[in-house]
Amino acid sequence: DAKTTQPPSMDCAEGRAANLPCNHSTISGNEYVYWYRQIHSQGPQYIIHGLKNNETNEMASLIITEDRKSSTLILPHATLRDTAVYYCIVRVGGNFNKFYFGSGTKLNVKP
Amino acid sequence: GAVVSQHPSWVICKSGTSVKIECRSLDFQATTMFWYRQFPKQSLMLMATSNEGSKATYEQGVEKDKFLINHASLTLSTLTVTSAHPEDSSFYICSALHGRIDEQYFGPGTRLTVT
Repeated sequence: DAKTTQPPSMDCAEGRAANLPCNHSTISGNEYVYWYRQIHSQGPQYIIHGLKNNETNEMASLIITEDRKSSTLILPHATLRDTAVYYCIVRVGGNFNKFYFGSGTKLNVKP
Repeated sequence: GAVVSQHPSWVICKSGTSVKIECRSLDFQATTMFWYRQFPKQSLMLMATSNEGSKATYEQGVEKDKFLINHASLTLSTLTVTSAHPEDSSFYICSALHGRIDEQYFGPGTRLTVT
């Protein structure tokens, strides 16, 4: 069962930062937070993941609160191609690495 | 690197027939693969975990006799939808676990339409 809560949709202006929140208040100490996105009719694409430290890669930044009960995915300069459904997933290491997807956030990047 | 392919990308079949979908890890070995189903405007639902050389484990509510999974090699898992019905029409997505770096990589999906 999904252990995350995300807003169903968000709008963002092209070129601006997109900040996507995720609540995972029941997260355990050994559970990672993953972010994937799915562009219409395609397979999910990995974005970033973290355990407790903030992470950054070429696509995005992940900010995890100190109590780890929530996180925010930041796309620093959103483009129209970033329009997609973004999924925040909590994964337990060792549990065959299963992913249970929640409902995700539909990000609409507008010109 | 870490590319996963699926074949076919879309398929139309008649009710009562069986359809096989292939999932391949192209540049890495995957002892574990996963199968998901996604209905329109819904999220991905995990169906089963496919383990190379052993039986698949199915999520609660998924009929193992209807959705046959075979993981015969370290790079190939197949999902066979047996006696397909229109309600089986869906987007089927696989993922492969890259054992060395412990990450899941997803295939592009297969659109199944049962008429």
